[in-house]
Amino acid sequence: GDSVTQTEGQVTVSESKSLIINCTYSTTSIAYPNLFWYVRYPGEGLQLLLKVITAGQKGSSRGFEATYNKETTSFHLQKASVQESDSAVYYCALGGNTGYQNFYFGKGTSLTVIP
Amino acid sequence: DMKVTQMPRYLIKRMGENVLLECGQDMSHETMYWYRQDPGLGLQLIYISYDVDSNSEGDIPKGYRVSRKKREHFSLILDSAKTNQTSVYFCASSADWGGYAEQFFGPGTRLTVL
Repeated sequence: GDSVTQTEGQVTVSESKSLIINCTYSTTSIAYPNLFWYVRYPGEGLQLLLKVITAGQKGSSRGFEATYNKETTSFHLQKASVQESDSAVYYCALGGNTGYQNFYFGKGTSLTVIP
Repeated sequence: DMKVTQMPRYLIKRMGENVLLECGQDMSHETMYWYRQDPGLGLQLIYISYDVDSNSEGDIPKGYRVSRKKREHFSLILDSAKTNQTSVYFCASSADWGGYAEQFFGPGTRLTVL
């Protein structure tokens, strides 16, 4: 089947340190996966952080980056220097091109940045 | 202003009561979704709506029904709520139903069924 696995649970990082949240995907039905990172800040709904639809490409937004690696089926989220305002829950997601039936969210990773 | 709203934000009901969760969007999106999220699980799709009166079951539709009579409104109904329906419910909308489309989410409704 199809699935997304990401760094589970909670991650705590000190302000100005680097961050990586791992995401790997598995699919048997999606020929050309689209990969997403969504973020949910406290009290708000999920919002798109970045999206990459072509293997080998990198997406970036708000200082975050993620590279779509088809060989390792990975889409890790990285940031060189986190800020307290980055504290949120991050979700990796996988989508196909044929509709909602092929769209999967990871379980979410809760990031806390301590000053 | 691109926005998805959900009402109410918090709700406590007793088992067997009916529940109505409301969702609105101001982007004229054709496609809308209802998800639930439980601790330790990803978002699970309950229903998807492609437009007015054009709804399809998602992965976990049992115990739920939906109504979409206007493009900007999408309701989730629980007839005779059960304790295992305690969860956080998210509504979303997108300009397209494809798996490449960005989804815009509401802030969620935390439902507790006692």
